[in-house]
Amino acid sequence: EIVMTQSPATLSVSPGERITLSCGASQTVDSALAWYQQKPGQVPRLLIYAASARATDIPARFSGSGSGTDFTLTISSLQPEDFAVFYCEQYRSWPPTFGQGTKVEIK
Amino acid sequence: EVKLVESGGGLGQPWGSLRLSCAASGFTFSSFSMSWVRQAPGKGLEWVASISNDGDSTNYADSVQGRFTISRDNAKNTLYLQMDSLRVEDTAVFYCAKNPRSSGWIYFDSWGQGILVTVSS
Repeated sequence: EIVMTQSPATLSVSPGERITLSCGASQTVDSALAWYQQKPGQVPRLLIYAASARATDIPARFSGSGSGTDFTLTISSLQPEDFAVFYCEQYRSWPPTFGQGTKVEIK
Repeated sequence: EVKLVESGGGLGQPWGSLRLSCAASGFTFSSFSMSWVRQAPGKGLEWVASISNDGDSTNYADSVQGRFTISRDNAKNTLYLQMDSLRVEDTAVFYCAKNPRSSGWIYFDSWGQGILVTVSS
């Protein structure tokens, strides 16, 4: 199974800041990488698929990049509603596996 | 609008059984593979099982292989998860999730609201 590792575990930031979250795979997943956002008490929401394609209705401030084993999710200007836990997921190989999550909290 | 509504959760006994259902609407259910994803209290996301659009292909996480069975009824637009031989570590919120294709490419573009399964004696 491919192990997904996210860093940092927690990120304390102020609204308006630009942030970058990292996700690493234990072996190549090509571009088969998705990002999800989960706000407290809410359902996960797909943000990015195929490493860099934004899902429907996702604002342009969210962007994904990378291929192979190293990926990033960038939020260009953090909005108050963006504070949440973010998960990456690889779907290149069975079983699909998630990272442990990065919590983005208000500084 | 895609809508996924889970039901059937609640309290289960160790070694007991529960059956989850997920009623789907707002899309052509029979054209897409479907999955179950779970989240233990305070923990991250874990893929549980997936089924192809026609029900012919199923896949399971090692942690549930041989105990859980995913199935679907395309005439009723409903996804199921039969959970047998329940363990305390199966306690989680279970999400029904839609996949973007008929098979393969197992990421999740729509999610149900989730249903809590608690396994305890």
